[in-house]
Amino acid sequence: DAEITQSPRHKITETGRQVTLACHQTWNHNNMFWYRQDLGHGLRLIHYSYGVQDTNKGEVSDGYSVSRSNTEDLPLTLESAASSQTSVYFCASSDTRREETQYFGPGTRLLVL
Amino acid sequence: RKEVEQDPGPFNVPEGATVAFNCTYSNSASQSFFWYRQDCRKEPKLLMSVYSSGNEDGRFTAQLNRASQYISLLIRDSKLSDSATYLCVVIASGSARQLTFGSGTQLTVLP
Repeated sequence: DAEITQSPRHKITETGRQVTLACHQTWNHNNMFWYRQDLGHGLRLIHYSYGVQDTNKGEVSDGYSVSRSNTEDLPLTLESAASSQTSVYFCASSDTRREETQYFGPGTRLLVL
Repeated sequence: RKEVEQDPGPFNVPEGATVAFNCTYSNSASQSFFWYRQDCRKEPKLLMSVYSSGNEDGRFTAQLNRASQYISLLIRDSKLSDSATYLCVVIASGSARQLTFGSGTQLTVLP
């Protein structure tokens, strides 16, 4: 069955370190998204991609970057982790024919000390 | 003002009760509306779309009021398994691929 996976599921890191969160989908979806979820804020869009080599900034992109070298993967990099980036990160993907339906990965819980 | 606002709850209701959630959106050009469900410590999943004429899916009814810019979700005959956070989601005109999420309304159905 097609799926979307994230790794690691849990991560503890220190302020200033570079961290990369992986997202891999086997749906063959063109659209991929990264969100963070914090209490009181709901899901906020960090970066998104509509296809290979396409990346765009979302609402809260500062301090994050993404790259899209193939259809399946959209890794999220925190260039220099900050305590304010402690959060739960969700990756999602959607088909261009049903773009209103996004399929989410299980999430990555990141703690920056 | 947030683009999508929901009462965070929590709503604690007994099994079998009827419960309703409302959600308001600020962008009058918003074109599509949805409810997602998120179980505790899990990922969000699409529950249902919200159409202008209203729509029903079993015990769940979703309605849209464009004039007042709010959508609602009604759950009848609540089950324990309905306990979750319900996220109101809006797509603004011209950005069909981007969803804007509300903060969610937490529901706990009590035995």
